[in-house]
Amino acid sequence: DAKTTQPPSMDCAEGRAANLPCNHSTISGNEYVYWYRQIHSQGPQYIIHGLKNNETNEMASLIITEDRKSSTLILPHATLRDTAVYYCIVESGGSNYKLTFGKGTLLTVNP
Amino acid sequence: GAGVSQSPRYKVTKRGQDVTLRCDPISSHATLYWYQQALGQGPEFLTYFNYEAQPDKSGLPSDRFSAERPEGSISTLTIQRTEQRDSAMYRCASSLYGGRANEQFFGPGTRLTVL
Repeated sequence: DAKTTQPPSMDCAEGRAANLPCNHSTISGNEYVYWYRQIHSQGPQYIIHGLKNNETNEMASLIITEDRKSSTLILPHATLRDTAVYYCIVESGGSNYKLTFGKGTLLTVNP
Repeated sequence: GAGVSQSPRYKVTKRGQDVTLRCDPISSHATLYWYQQALGQGPEFLTYFNYEAQPDKSGLPSDRFSAERPEGSISTLTIQRTEQRDSAMYRCASSLYGGRANEQFFGPGTRLTVL
């Protein structure tokens, strides 16, 4: 699986957009980008995934660069409850379905 | 069920004892995963099942760790002769099927403490 690089921490003001970057320069053409988050001691929660095109759902938007070497997760209007560790994961699928979590980015949303 | 459940939520044991952790996945889900999460770290893959088959055990740290899912639903993770380094949160996840682009739903975890 391709390795990802994320900043260890970020801050965001409540109500503003949170933009979380992820570098995955060794990504292969068939590898998806996933984002999960983990709030305090809860289990990780799926947010969104994408392959080539930008994606949007009720939680967030995922912007993937044209060369696919980096992506950005956007939380359009961050709330205090969005404070969590955000993991960017590249998974190749095939016969190996595991998720390889890194250290993630601790996003702190401030009032 | 409504979500993935795990039991017990907390387990304290003495070094050298065996422990068994249980995972009850979402009822319609074919694929079940086990992860180990140390404090301050992301979860690390241990093993997974497609129904009762266990195609990948590559993440199990040693032969003291084993998992089974005999009827393709509930799974157990057993650690024999526990050691202090086994202390961690053990998380189970399930997905509808074990394919790519497939969301994994995580349970609340079992916090294991080995004294």
